[in-house]
Amino acid sequence: GDSVTQMEGPVTLSEEAFLTINCTYTATGYPSLFWYVQYPGEGLQLLLKATKADDKGSNKGFEATYRKETTSFHLEKGSVQVSDSAVYFCALSPLNQAGTALIFGKGTTLSVSS
Amino acid sequence: EAQVTQNPRYLITVTGKKLTVTCSQNMNHEYMSWYRQDPGLGLRQIYYSMNVEVTDKGDVPEGYKVSRKEKRNFPLILESPSPNQTSLYFCASSFTGQGTEQYFGPGTRLTVT
Repeated sequence: GDSVTQMEGPVTLSEEAFLTINCTYTATGYPSLFWYVQYPGEGLQLLLKATKADDKGSNKGFEATYRKETTSFHLEKGSVQVSDSAVYFCALSPLNQAGTALIFGKGTTLSVSS
Repeated sequence: EAQVTQNPRYLITVTGKKLTVTCSQNMNHEYMSWYRQDPGLGLRQIYYSMNVEVTDKGDVPEGYKVSRKEKRNFPLILESPSPNQTSLYFCASSFTGQGTEQYFGPGTRLTVT
């Protein structure tokens, strides 16, 4: 079945460092891809999404490009802040599993220090 | 304000004592879902509902029940909780199940002793 694999954390960075969190997927067809973020003590919220190949999603300085050739959707940010410390989840919306809205990766914890 | 609410936020209970976690959304969404989040396992879907009176099992439904009598509410019921159901639970909703943004509640931290 469809699945998402993302790099294990934790990822520890200094403020203003460059961030990459790798995400690859296995899926039938070309599903929509998402990045969700979970701040401490809160629920998940959508960070960005891409619905077709070569689409770039962006929000709050984060970017991810839907690469069908490498089945990847890596999350990047040029200069992280302490406030970006959170857990990041890559997810896909499967095309052939009615009722399953999202399949998640296991999450990557990001810790940014000043 | 558009939101998904869950209650309670924290709950400690004992094995076998029935409990209900409520979930409500005010966005007129048709699709609602429950997930559990466990360390190293990410989020796993427990049950989902595509509309009123339509519910179905997700990946880890054992030990849980749900109902969808009204569009806005989707309670999660644990008839006889066990320690392996200790987890962080999230309710989510969206207009349709696939391809659309899911809106998540704040989570319910459940401990079963």
